[in-house]
Amino acid sequence: EPEVTQTPSHQVTQMGQEVILRCVPISNHLYFYWYRQILGQKVEFLVSFYNNEISEKSEIFDDQFSVERPDGSNFTLKIRSTKLEDSAMYFCASSPRGRRYEQYFGPGTRLTVT
Amino acid sequence: DQQVKQNSPSLSVQEGRISILNCDYTNSMFDYFLWYKKYPAEGPTFLISISSIKDKNEDGRFTVFLNKSAKHLSLHIVPSQPGDSAVYFCAATPNSGYALNFGKGTSLLVTP
Repeated sequence: EPEVTQTPSHQVTQMGQEVILRCVPISNHLYFYWYRQILGQKVEFLVSFYNNEISEKSEIFDDQFSVERPDGSNFTLKIRSTKLEDSAMYFCASSPRGRRYEQYFGPGTRLTVT
Repeated sequence: DQQVKQNSPSLSVQEGRISILNCDYTNSMFDYFLWYKKYPAEGPTFLISISSIKDKNEDGRFTVFLNKSAKHLSLHIVPSQPGDSAVYFCAATPNSGYALNFGKGTSLLVTP
């Protein structure tokens, strides 16, 4: 069964550094998402991406964040200058044509900012 | 703002019995409701969804019930199995949007 994959599984970075989290969505899906979950809190929406542009973003997704689909398979989240409060699990998700709401999640990248 | 609420942080059920997980929401614009299951160190796994035009959807051992007037949905698992032990998240989204709004989750423990 096709699944969303994410790399790396764990990333440790120093405050102020740039990080890029990578995702390979399910191949025939059209909609792509990033969510995060801070330890002990709920899963929070960051951004959605469709037709090569951002379709929706939350207030968390400020100028420090950017997304890109550099080729036909990868989907990336970049945090330009990480802060301690960016430490969280970051989940990529994708959904198919006609069932946009049915989002399939990857295993996550644990980001630790020190 | 908590638009999706799961008021029970945990639930313990015996194997073979029914597990009922509950979820309330406040936003009447939500059109789709979903349940996800999550194991530690893994991403949420999609289980079942329901559209706001329905009041019930069934898939194997999982049934979701939606009561729009009460802004309440529930997930029934029958019969419960030890492998069902996980955190269950309720999520909702409007047809006009992309973001899933998640509840905080209910940790289900199914004991042999």
